[in-house]
Amino acid sequence: GAGVSQTPSNKVTEKGKYVELRCDPISGHTALYWYRQSLGQGPEFLIYFQGTGAADDSGLPNDRFFAVRPEGSVSTLKIQRTERGDSAVYLCASSLIGGMNTGELFFGEGSRLTVL
Amino acid sequence: DAKTTQPNSMESNEEEPVHLPCNHSTISGTDYIHWYRQLPSQGPEYVIHGLTSNVNNRMASLAIAEDRKSSTLILHRATLRDAAVYYCILREPNTGNQFYFGTGTSLTVIP
Repeated sequence: GAGVSQTPSNKVTEKGKYVELRCDPISGHTALYWYRQSLGQGPEFLIYFQGTGAADDSGLPNDRFFAVRPEGSVSTLKIQRTERGDSAVYLCASSLIGGMNTGELFFGEGSRLTVL
Repeated sequence: DAKTTQPNSMESNEEEPVHLPCNHSTISGTDYIHWYRQLPSQGPEYVIHGLTSNVNNRMASLAIAEDRKSSTLILHRATLRDAAVYYCILREPNTGNQFYFGTGTSLTVIP
């Protein structure tokens, strides 16, 4: 389809393991965002890419979290030494323009991460 | 970040209008007001946005108070497919990448 694609849709892992979550944005969208959503809460900003560079990573909770977007398209969110508190739905969004007023965000359906 | 306040939940009868309020008393002069909604098990989707004037699109209308300290999202005829969590968000031009979603209003549509 033409929307934002996220894989896997569900990931169950054990505490301490390493996890990668992938986001394939809408073709041509230069801005890409990662959010995290815990049960009953609204999405929480993690990081924003403009092209290949992370323009704002101030939402990453600690140094176990890292994200890349090497070619300015697909992005991978990487979580090291996972903890039970990392369990959440991780949402990716893209937009034609970023950091501006009218850049409508298009969200994927999210990757649900469960850390046992 | 400028914050918004919304009721936790609201109910509406099907095919009746719905007015979803949002307070944003700390809004700055350059903040845009955005609304997104999130259906169950889906990512949020854009609904509408505005700065000062009221706005209409195919999904909804946005009424913005003259002092901009509050706004109202209006669904003209609620359908069962409108049942979702509605988020009112302020987007600041220079750091507009950080949408602050809050907890939103959960809308229940009664058939």
